[in-house]
Amino acid sequence: EPEVTQTPSHQVTQMGQEVILRCVPISNHLYFYWYRQILGQKVEFLVSFYNNEISEKSEIFDDQFSVERPDGSNFTLKIRSTKLEDSAMYFCASSSGGSGNTIYFGEGSWLTVV
Amino acid sequence: GQNIDQPTEMTATEGAIVQINCTYQTSGFNGLFWYQQHAGEAPTFLSYNVLDGLEEKGRFSSFLSRSKGYSYLLLKELQMKDSASYLCAVVDYGQNFVFGPGTRLSVLP
Repeated sequence: EPEVTQTPSHQVTQMGQEVILRCVPISNHLYFYWYRQILGQKVEFLVSFYNNEISEKSEIFDDQFSVERPDGSNFTLKIRSTKLEDSAMYFCASSSGGSGNTIYFGEGSWLTVV
Repeated sequence: GQNIDQPTEMTATEGAIVQINCTYQTSGFNGLFWYQQHAGEAPTFLSYNVLDGLEEKGRFSSFLSRSKGYSYLLLKELQMKDSASYLCAVVDYGQNFVFGPGTRLSVLP
């Protein structure tokens, strides 16, 4: 069964450093998402991406965050200057769109900012 | 905007039935999904409702009332492996999925 893959699975970074989280969505999907989940808390929406542009973003997704689809397969989330509170699990997800079609999540990238 | 509410925690006994409720207030509605999430893992799809009524899928059923902004997930014949968080998510016409806070279910022997 096709799946969303994410790398790295774990990353430890120093505060102020830039981090890039990578995702390969399911190949025929059109909608791409990033979510984050701070330990023990809810799954929070960051950004959605469709037709090569951001379709919606949350208040969390400030100027420190950016997304790119540099080629036909990868979908990346960049955090420009990490803060301690960015420590979380970051999930990439994709969907084919249309009524009733679920989003499929990757296994997540666990980011620890020290 | 979207506001989604679920109970924080529930406890039930192996073999029993449990109902997990979800209420929502949304500016746009194009369906409601339920996901299961084990600790440290990604959410996985359980069920989908867009019309009012009950959808049954084996031990899991989900109900939706759009006029009341209400859904529930019913789990029958509970097993220990059902101990997990259960998330409801509302999707709008822009294909944006917004998740509720999740309900942590503990199944006891």
